[in-house]
Amino acid sequence: GDSVTQMEGPVTLSEEAFLTINCTYTATGYPSLFWYVQYPGEGLQLLLKATKADDKGSNKGFEATYRKETTSFHLEKGSVQVSDSAVYFCALSHPKHSSGSARQLTFGSGTQLTVLP
Amino acid sequence: DVKVTQSSRYLVKRTGEKVFLECVQDMDHENMFWYRQDPGLGLRLIYFSYDVKMKEKGDIPEGYSVSREKKERFSLILESASTNQTSMYLCASSLPRGNYGYTFGSGTRLTVV
Repeated sequence: GDSVTQMEGPVTLSEEAFLTINCTYTATGYPSLFWYVQYPGEGLQLLLKATKADDKGSNKGFEATYRKETTSFHLEKGSVQVSDSAVYFCALSHPKHSSGSARQLTFGSGTQLTVLP
Repeated sequence: DVKVTQSSRYLVKRTGEKVFLECVQDMDHENMFWYRQDPGLGLRLIYFSYDVKMKEKGDIPEGYSVSREKKERFSLILESASTNQTSMYLCASSLPRGNYGYTFGSGTRLTVV
């Protein structure tokens, strides 16, 4: 079945450091790929997405490129801020054969990021 | 601003109680989902619905049921709450083509004592 593997956390960085959170996936066909962010006490928010190979998703200084050859979708940011402290989830979306039009997200386990001033 | 609203942020219930978690979305989305989130286990899908009165089991449906009588509302029901159902519950909705992404509610933290 489909699966998403994220790098283990927690990750602690100083402000303005470079961030990479690794994400690899296993799926048949061509899933869509997502990064979600969860701030403390909140639900998940869509951060960025890519729907086909070589697409780059970007938002709020974060970027990720859909690499089909390496089945990866690593999240990067050039200079993190304290306000980026959150849990980051990589996810893929793939049709569920039994339900036709519905799609489900398969999530990675999440990576806790803490940015220190 | 589009929203998924979960009726309670925090709930405390007793073992054996019947518990209703409500979720309402204002985006006219066809799909709605219930997940639970636990430390070290990530997000796990309980049930989802792709149309009114339609539902499908997710990965961990045992001990739960759902109701979708109207398009905008998707309820999660714990028939007889148990302490191992203490968790954060997240509702989400989406258009039929999931590559637009999901919109999540803020979550309900349920404690069963």
